[in-house]
Amino acid sequence: GAVVSQHPSRVICKSGTSVKIECRSLDFQATTMFWYRQFPKQSLMLMATSNEGSKATYEQGVEKDKFLINHASLTLSTLTVTSAHPEDSSFYICSAGAAGNTIYFGEGSWLTVV
Amino acid sequence: SQKIEQNSEALNIQEGKTATLTCNYTNYSPAYLQWYRQDPGRGPVFLLLIRENEKEKRKERLKVTFDTTLKQSLFHITASQPADSATYLCALDMGQAGTALIFGKGTTLSVSS
Repeated sequence: GAVVSQHPSRVICKSGTSVKIECRSLDFQATTMFWYRQFPKQSLMLMATSNEGSKATYEQGVEKDKFLINHASLTLSTLTVTSAHPEDSSFYICSAGAAGNTIYFGEGSWLTVV
Repeated sequence: SQKIEQNSEALNIQEGKTATLTCNYTNYSPAYLQWYRQDPGRGPVFLLLIRENEKEKRKERLKVTFDTTLKQSLFHITASQPADSATYLCALDMGQAGTALIFGKGTTLSVSS
């Protein structure tokens, strides 16, 4: 079946550095991918909608210059957290839609900024 | 204001009993409602989708109901097992291509043997 893969699953970075998270649809093409952030015991909060070949659409309150999204192909979207700070430490999850209404989620990426 | 709420943060039941989880929403008109399972540190896994014109959907030991008048969905797990212990998320699907799901906070179910 359709699978969405995220990499890395866990990353630790120093404050002030940038980190890139990849989201790949493995056996289907996704013109739209979604990036969520989830804090402990909280809901998945949509950060942005990533559209292949065009600029991402960011949710209110999400800084587009801090969370750079690139969706250069139909199977890959990347999220780069720039100048990361400890408050950016969170669980980042991507999802992509396959045929019909089925949405597949990646396994998530734990970011810890020290 | 728009809200989606799952009635309790945690639910503890005994093995073999039926678990019932509730999802309520206000000021939304979803075309579909989806339920997901999320294990600690993992991404959500799709379980069931129910359309606005469907009253009930079943899949093995799972049953979902959808009442658009009450703006509520109930999610039942019958003959629950310890392996069912996880967080269950409801999500509103507006049915428009390219729009994201809107998630509730989830209910963490613990099934004890």
